[in-house]
Amino acid sequence: QKEVEQNSGPLSVPEGAIASLNCTYSDRGSQSFFWYRQYSGKSPELIMFIYSNGDKEDGRFTAQLNKASQYVSLLIRDSQPSDSATYLCAVNGGDSSYKLIFGSGTRLLVRP
Amino acid sequence: NAGVTQTPKFQVLKTGQSMTLQCAQDMNHNSMYWYRQDPGMGLRLIYYSASEGTTDKGEVPNGYNVSRLNKREFSLRLESAAPSQTSVYFCASNGNTGELFFGEGSRLTVL
Repeated sequence: QKEVEQNSGPLSVPEGAIASLNCTYSDRGSQSFFWYRQYSGKSPELIMFIYSNGDKEDGRFTAQLNKASQYVSLLIRDSQPSDSATYLCAVNGGDSSYKLIFGSGTRLLVRP
Repeated sequence: NAGVTQTPKFQVLKTGQSMTLQCAQDMNHNSMYWYRQDPGMGLRLIYYSASEGTTDKGEVPNGYNVSRLNKREFSLRLESAAPSQTSVYFCASNGNTGELFFGEGSRLTVL
């Protein structure tokens, strides 16, 4: 079983809708959770990080963490065609905060 | 402001050849990483170095070796390349906030 699981998608939403991206992880000791966006042919770039249970909002993006259920999600409000990309969830390994494991990513398509 | 620099950006090897991917960061970060990315597989951690002088295996270390030459540089070596090592390789460094800063990637093809 992969340590960090994501639905590969593609997730297709119309422009202006809310896109919901989910990620589950297996290591209960994980403490840090990250969402990266990767455009085709480019390097990943950080969108948000979250360390505590609950919601964290930054502009159109909201990260949600539930450690008891071992899942983290990313909501994108008012989705734009420019949000079309692959979204990667990353989690630090419980045995080492330096060991960052990525999920396989969810491809998001925002239809104009 | 260079950030994380990887070389080479493209490389074609024949099976059995060796090569080293170079990575350098100018942000004074302690931790550095090597990932590979294959279609549909996301980023898989090969090796990481939490600090100068230390290296640890990630998810897929077989067939690779690393050297943390100093605080700035972290190299990845393929001793005997195999077609299964055809991939895009990303080097990254980690600031104290936990955010990874990535290089532009190195595309490696093994024939």
